[in-house]
Amino acid sequence: AQSVAQPEDQVNVAEGNPLTVKCTYSVSGNPYLFWYVQYPNRGLQFLLKYITGDNLVKGSYGFEAEFNKSQTSFHLKKPSALVSDSALYFCAVRASASGGSYIPTFGRGTSLIVHP
Amino acid sequence: NAGVTQTPKFRILKIGQSMTLQCTQDMNHNYMYWYRQDPGMGLKLIYYSVGAGITDKGEVPNGYNVSRSTTEDFPLRLELAAPSQTSVYFCASSYSGPINEQFFGPGTRLTVL
Repeated sequence: AQSVAQPEDQVNVAEGNPLTVKCTYSVSGNPYLFWYVQYPNRGLQFLLKYITGDNLVKGSYGFEAEFNKSQTSFHLKKPSALVSDSALYFCAVRASASGGSYIPTFGRGTSLIVHP
Repeated sequence: NAGVTQTPKFRILKIGQSMTLQCTQDMNHNYMYWYRQDPGMGLKLIYYSVGAGITDKGEVPNGYNVSRSTTEDFPLRLELAAPSQTSVYFCASSYSGPINEQFFGPGTRLTVL
């Protein structure tokens, strides 16, 4: 069975500092990995995804994520945090190979709080 | 494109009542999903559909039913509402295939008293 772990319920960072939101996964075969953001009282919005190729993926709003196959991780990063980045962030995985599920599995979410 | 729309935005039900949460997408996506989100628990998949006429259970299907008669619509039916169904419900859709991201609706906040 595939799974996603987001080990931190909450991440606090000062505005202007770099931020990292962690995600590790378990899946049969090669993974397809996704990050979504949820602002208060809104639905989830797609940020970026890793399918294949370059391990560093760039997405919306200046976010990027690094795929690390050996560590089965897909951490979300941003060089300089903004107060407006404060939101709930979800990592998700889908399996690329048969035997895995095409239905995505989501982590429990990490609340990012950026302090002025 | 309106994307994924959900109605109603809010609803309060009494125990034992029934209701249908509506979901419509205008992106011609084959795949559609229903999730519930409880505080600190992430998203739990209730039902999903890979095309019109095809539905399947997710992680937490008990107490819910779905139908998919058209590509655009994927209503979620709650029969005999219970307090445990108090939650925020999200509908999502995507193109076929595992590489495609999901598009989410704005959610329906349901309270069962």
